[in-house]
Amino acid sequence: GAVVSQHPSRVICKSGTSVKIECRSLDFQATTMFWYRQFPKKSLMLMATSNEGSKATYEQGVEKDKFLINHASLTLSTLTVTSAHPEDSSFYICSARGTSGTPSYNEQFFGPGTRLTVL
Amino acid sequence: KQEVTQIPAALSVPEGENLVLNCSFTDSAIYNLQWFRQDPGKGLTSLLLIQSSQREQTSGRLNASLDKSSGRSTLYIAASQPGDSATYLCAVKGNFNKFYFGSGTKLNVKP
Repeated sequence: GAVVSQHPSRVICKSGTSVKIECRSLDFQATTMFWYRQFPKKSLMLMATSNEGSKATYEQGVEKDKFLINHASLTLSTLTVTSAHPEDSSFYICSARGTSGTPSYNEQFFGPGTRLTVL
Repeated sequence: KQEVTQIPAALSVPEGENLVLNCSFTDSAIYNLQWFRQDPGKGLTSLLLIQSSQREQTSGRLNASLDKSSGRSTLYIAASQPGDSATYLCAVKGNFNKFYFGSGTKLNVKP
């Protein structure tokens, strides 16, 4: 089956530093990847849609200069939280969608998530 | 804007019971609906995917139904087990491949 990995699984950083989270599709090529944020006991909120080779599309209210997304290849997207602050602490989950014409095109496969804690 | 609601927010049942989780959505123009399981501090595991043209999907003890016109879906779990304890999320896929998630139902199956 389609597998998506995230690295790191957990990160603790000091306020003001930047943190990079990687999302990889391990056994399929992902034209599109999505980044979600989940607050405690809340559902997932879509932050942005990342398309390989082009700029990410951000949801309303999400600061694109704060959350930098790069999708440089068909198997890797990165989310960088710049100048992180305690309010950025959250669970970040990515998902990936396969290329058109493949079985994975109509589904999203989710990574295991990254727990970010900003001190 | 699509809004997805899940009822109940939490459910506690004794082992062996059959149970139903509910999901409703405001915009019936969806491509598909997916049920996920999330264990504490973990990512999502896809359970069932129902295309907009389908009425239900079954996998083992799980059965999911979809009534697109009324904006409702149910997840039926037969003969519940303690290992079923988790948070169950439903999500609908709308335009531009965006998923809209409900806030989940936290299920506790007591031995």
